[in-house]
Amino acid sequence: DAGVIQSPRHEVTEMGQEVTLRCKLISGHNSLFWYRQTMMRGLELLIYFNNNVPIDDSGMPEDRFSAKMPNASFSTLKIQPSEPRDSAVYFCARGRRQPGYGYTFGSGTRLTVV
Amino acid sequence: AQSVTQLGSHVSVSEGALVLLRCNYSSSVPPYLFWYVQYPNQGLQLLLKYTTGATLVKGINGFEAEFKKSETSFHLTKPSAHMSDAAEYFCAVSDYSGYSTLTFGKGTMLLVSP
Repeated sequence: DAGVIQSPRHEVTEMGQEVTLRCKLISGHNSLFWYRQTMMRGLELLIYFNNNVPIDDSGMPEDRFSAKMPNASFSTLKIQPSEPRDSAVYFCARGRRQPGYGYTFGSGTRLTVV
Repeated sequence: AQSVTQLGSHVSVSEGALVLLRCNYSSSVPPYLFWYVQYPNQGLQLLLKYTTGATLVKGINGFEAEFKKSETSFHLTKPSAHMSDAAEYFCAVSDYSGYSTLTFGKGTMLLVSP
């Protein structure tokens, strides 16, 4: 988890509220990935960025989800409005374009929508 | 497109017994393969990876994996399980899209009994 800081660690919100998840990279990297993990679906890739540019957002489940990466060290994932089925653990991870590098994951944000 | 299949969502072993977690992959090109471990309430941590060269790869905590191209497998083993090995393990394959995205298996929960 070193170098990838996610906040908050836990978030409980009411249905319909806006939720913003944050990811900070201690050192800039080429690529940043957002994943969602649930018991039913496992790890799902939501979106990834390269050099701050969104490359593939086909995994974003609905228009209620949006992500930004304003600079090489910071990204947000926003859900508006939130729904109970969005409850999951959301991870961000850093990587590089070179094959074989792999990812370094943050500790995740556990989101509960009631 | 790459894919990963992990056989067995749960594997139970006794402390001191051999650990074997199975992973088969599908890839149209020589793959880069990874094993990650996830402890409760934590992010995924890299255990080991295969890129090129020696097909037997050693990782942290006494784990190793062998790449077998003829069997399209990358099984994870450890000679003697420890209670602290109880966690969820994910196999992943890297693609060659230029952004090195990882495709993860569904995960295998390793349970270790005294």
